[in-house]
Amino acid sequence: GDSVTQKEGLVTLTEGLPVMLNCTYQTIYSNAFLFWYVHYLNESPRLLLKSSTDNKRTEHQGFHATLHKSSSSFHLQKSSAQLSDSALYYCALSDHSGGSNAKLTFGKGTKLSVKS
Amino acid sequence: GGIITQTPKFLIGQEGQKLTLKCQQNFNHDTMYWYRQDSGKGLRLIYYSITENDLQKGDLSEGYDASREKKSSFSLTVTSAQKNEMAVFLCASSIAWGSQNTLYFGAGTRLSVL
Repeated sequence: GDSVTQKEGLVTLTEGLPVMLNCTYQTIYSNAFLFWYVHYLNESPRLLLKSSTDNKRTEHQGFHATLHKSSSSFHLQKSSAQLSDSALYYCALSDHSGGSNAKLTFGKGTKLSVKS
Repeated sequence: GGIITQTPKFLIGQEGQKLTLKCQQNFNHDTMYWYRQDSGKGLRLIYYSITENDLQKGDLSEGYDASREKKSSFSLTVTSAQKNEMAVFLCASSIAWGSQNTLYFGAGTRLSVL
């Protein structure tokens, strides 16, 4: 079945440094749809950004990601970390062709901790 | 805008007890979900309901039942709570079933079993 790998469980950064959270995926279907969800402490998880277009950069709230189907990757990046970026980040995958494959498969999550 | 309300926020149960978690949404969304969140394990799908009279098992359905009472509400029952179990259960909804649809989450129910 589908799988999503977020190899870092915890990323600790100093404020102002660049952020890169890794996400790779496996699917037998060609129509992958990738998502990043963010879960701040004491809030509900919410969508940060999503993409199904190969090699197109998607941006939202200072974060960006590019879906690379050749390497099955959708890494989340930001040029400069802020204290308020500290949260749990989930990468997720679904198949674009519909049916039962449309359900989301989440990675294990990466906790980002930004320190001053 | 809309909101997803989960009750209770905290649930403490005894081993073997049947426990029910409730979820209400006012988005008028067709599809609703129950996920379990465990540290280091991500979000795992327990049950989902594509439309009002539908019920589908997810990857983690064993030990749980679900009920879609009406379009706006979706309940989850832990059929027999396991000793020392601790997890957060997240309810979510989306406008319809489909890969491109955004999930909107509730704040969660935190379960502890003594």
